[in-house]
This record gives sequence, C-alpha cells and structure tokens, in this order.
Amino acid sequence: EAGVTQFPSHSVIEKGQTVTLRCDPISGHDNLYWYRRVMGKEIKFLLHFVKESKQDESGMPNNRFLAERTGGTYSTLKVQPAELEDSGVYFCASSQVEGPYEQYFGPGTRLTVT
Amino acid sequence: KNQVEQSPQSLIILEGKNCTLQCNYTVSPFSNLRWYKQDTGRGPVSLTIMTFSENTKSNGRYTATLDADTKQSSLHITASQLSDSASYICVVSALTGGGNKLTFGTGTQLKVEL
Repeated sequence: EAGVTQFPSHSVIEKGQTVTLRCDPISGHDNLYWYRRVMGKEIKFLLHFVKESKQDESGMPNNRFLAERTGGTYSTLKVQPAELEDSGVYFCASSQVEGPYEQYFGPGTRLTVT
Repeated sequence: KNQVEQSPQSLIILEGKNCTLQCNYTVSPFSNLRWYKQDTGRGPVSLTIMTFSENTKSNGRYTATLDADTKQSSLHITASQLSDSASYICVVSALTGGGNKLTFGTGTQLKVEL
C-alpha cells in the first residue's frame, strides 16, 4: 500500500511569489490534514478535510493560505503571496474516518522563502 | 490553551543502553496520546497510541506509559540501537467531530552512539 506522498520535496521561492504544495493521501482515507513546522518550533495543525469539505481550518495563519481538496482525493495548499515567515516544513497526513483515527504522515515539503 | 511539553530536549546515549523520555500535557477534551518517531527528512511515524483507559503499551523495544490523572507520559527505549537516533515526538489528540486534532510537543532529539 502506497503511503502519503507530497510534492515537491523542497521549494525555494522569493518573497511575494506563489507556491502550491500537493498532497496525495492514502487511497480510501477520507480525512486529510495539513501541518506546518517552522524552524525550532513544534509541528502545528493548519487544517482538516473530511473528503472535500473543510472540517476545521482554525490553524490557517491568514488569508494568504488557501487549501483545496477537489473531488475528495488529493489536496493542494497554496501560499500567495509568500512571506519570509512562511518558511518551514509542511506535512500532510491522512486517516480513515472510522477506527482509531491513526494519522499517517507524508515526508513533508520544505519551503524556503528568500 | 492545549500544550505538550517534552523533556529532555536532547539526549545522547551509548548503543545498548536504555533511556526514558518524558511528556506532560494539558489538552482537552483528551482522546489519546501518541508517540511518534521522526527521522531526519522524513515524516513522523507512529510508535504507540494510548487512550484514556490504557496505561501502558509496547511496540518492540518501545514501551509507552500514560498517567491520565497527572497528565504525564513516558517512552522507554530498551537496548538502544544506532537506528533509534531520531526525534521522538509526544502528540496528544483532542477529539473533534470526524477526526482527531493533534497537539505536538517539540520533541526529544535522541542520538545513539557507539
């Protein structure tokens, strides 16, 4: 069974540019989560999809961040325009709706804004 | 405010030795507590997950304990191996509709040396 995949693995952009991160969850997982770790800090929750619906987006830092999950499969997280403080590692995780809610994490996308 | 604190921040031990990592939390409403292992450049991988009623759980050489009254957990690693070198993250889950919202600790960076 394929795990959670994320693309790209690393992105370097200039302040003011736009970047789109992609996450492909484990097939059949209705729950999809985005998290972020900024330098020296703990991983923090950004938002949670159940299928194509945003269940909880309380962790999104501001309106420069837009997450979508069209069709309830893969998800994208767009940052527009990027700021220096957006640098960090963005993780995606997925889980089944039923059961122990175990979350499986992808390898992360390292975003560097210069 | 939901918080998870871990100690020590970092730890160096010799191969073959045991070690214990600590976690204190204030998360409500509590659903479960997880320990994750994160290798450099990879996403977190689940080691154990414990609900309120469980006070110990093992996964090979890893044994986690949970005291829900004092809101403390520990992760004990037996007979450490070089491959145990990683960040160990305590994560506490609050139950929300349709899934679990995770609060992460900053992790304990473990290095196992010859």
